[in-house]
Amino acid sequence: AQRVTQPEKLLSVFKGAPVELKCNYSYSGSPELFWYVQYSRQRLQLLLRHISRESIKGFTADLNKGETSFHLKKPFAQEEDSAMYYCALSGQVTGNTPLVFGKGTRLSVIA
Amino acid sequence: NAGVTQTPKFRVLKTGQSMTLLCAQDMNHEYMYWYRQDPGMGLRLIHYSVGEGTTAKGEVPDGYNVSRLKKQNFLLGLESAAPSQTSVYFCASSYSSDYASTDTQYFGPGTRLTVL
Repeated sequence: AQRVTQPEKLLSVFKGAPVELKCNYSYSGSPELFWYVQYSRQRLQLLLRHISRESIKGFTADLNKGETSFHLKKPFAQEEDSAMYYCALSGQVTGNTPLVFGKGTRLSVIA
Repeated sequence: NAGVTQTPKFRVLKTGQSMTLLCAQDMNHEYMYWYRQDPGMGLRLIHYSVGEGTTAKGEVPDGYNVSRLKKQNFLLGLESAAPSQTSVYFCASSYSSDYASTDTQYFGPGTRLTVL
């Protein structure tokens, strides 16, 4: 079974502080992992995906298969990073298998 | 391009009433999805479609029906609404590529449904 766990419902950090949003997954095969973000009053949108190995808005995430984790990190949080963040998993290599989402973590960056 | 649009934006129903939520996309995407978002529960997949004329059940399909008569539209129906279906409903679509990877899902703005 595919499962995504985001242990923190709410994470508050001060502006300029490092931030790490945790994501752990359960899947027996080779998953694809994603981070989606929902800013206030905006629609959900893709932030980054592990196969791209990109840095978007200063955020990075590394897939750690040994620890089955895909934590989202940013060295210096900004107020505009305040949003709801969802980790998601796709468990099939070919085709567009529907994503399994975690319950989300609300990030609040305090000025 | 409008991307993914949803109609209506808000709706209040009484228990037992029926309604249909419309999702439309103008990106020529093959795949379309319906999710519900509830506090503390994240996004849960209701139904999805991998092409015109096809539908499949997701994680929480009970109480909902869907249809994909046209490639650009994906309808979500509630035949007899219940208070437990009070939620925010999101539609999404994605392209079907030949590559061995999952494509980005593009989301609509959501429909806030309250069932009294």
